[in-house]
Amino acid sequence: GAVVSQHPSRVICKSGTSVKIECRSLDFQATTMFWYRQFPKQSLMLMATSNEGSKATYEQGVEKDKFLINHASLTLSTLTVTSAHPEDSSFYICSARAGGRGTGELFFGEGSRLTVL
Amino acid sequence: AQSVTQLGSHVSVSEGALVLLRCNYSSSVPPYLFWYVQYPNQGLQLLLKYTTGATLVKGINGFEAEFKKSETSFHLTKPSAHMSDAAEYFCAVAKGGYGNKLVFGAGTILRVKS
Repeated sequence: GAVVSQHPSRVICKSGTSVKIECRSLDFQATTMFWYRQFPKQSLMLMATSNEGSKATYEQGVEKDKFLINHASLTLSTLTVTSAHPEDSSFYICSARAGGRGTGELFFGEGSRLTVL
Repeated sequence: AQSVTQLGSHVSVSEGALVLLRCNYSSSVPPYLFWYVQYPNQGLQLLLKYTTGATLVKGINGFEAEFKKSETSFHLTKPSAHMSDAAEYFCAVAKGGYGNKLVFGAGTILRVKS
């Protein structure tokens, strides 16, 4: 099946710094990618929809200035956690859609675990 | 609006026993339903999906699920549990149509006893 890769898989940073997480579709083009956040022992919560060449659409309650999303190409979306704080520590998972809306299956990355000290 | 309820946050079965993980959904439009499995510190792997057509859907690793519109359910089953099935399972419904963002249930952790 299609492959979606996230990098880094684990990152530890100091409070106040910014961290960038990459999501790449390795063998298909993805005009749309989704970013999820998963707290320990909880389900995945959608943060935002990332569309290639346009601004991301954020879910209610997600700070767009805090979680910057850039979808600069058909195979890459990035999530930057700005001025990270310990409460931002979480497992971040992206998914990429192969094909257009209504036809495309979603493929998930392996996740990126962020720990903010 | 779409939503998903998974009954039972933890399910424990013996190796070789039937696995039944329950999922009920709410959707104002014909639903697209999915089951995913997540192993510790990993992303999600698609087990199976229901879009249209046959209501009994077969997936990978011997899992299957049946879409029952009258019961708004999409329960996941496997006739005989294997130790390697121990993981967390998420039921999801596509919000806004197939290929669109997913709304996930809370997840069910499956434990398989030897």
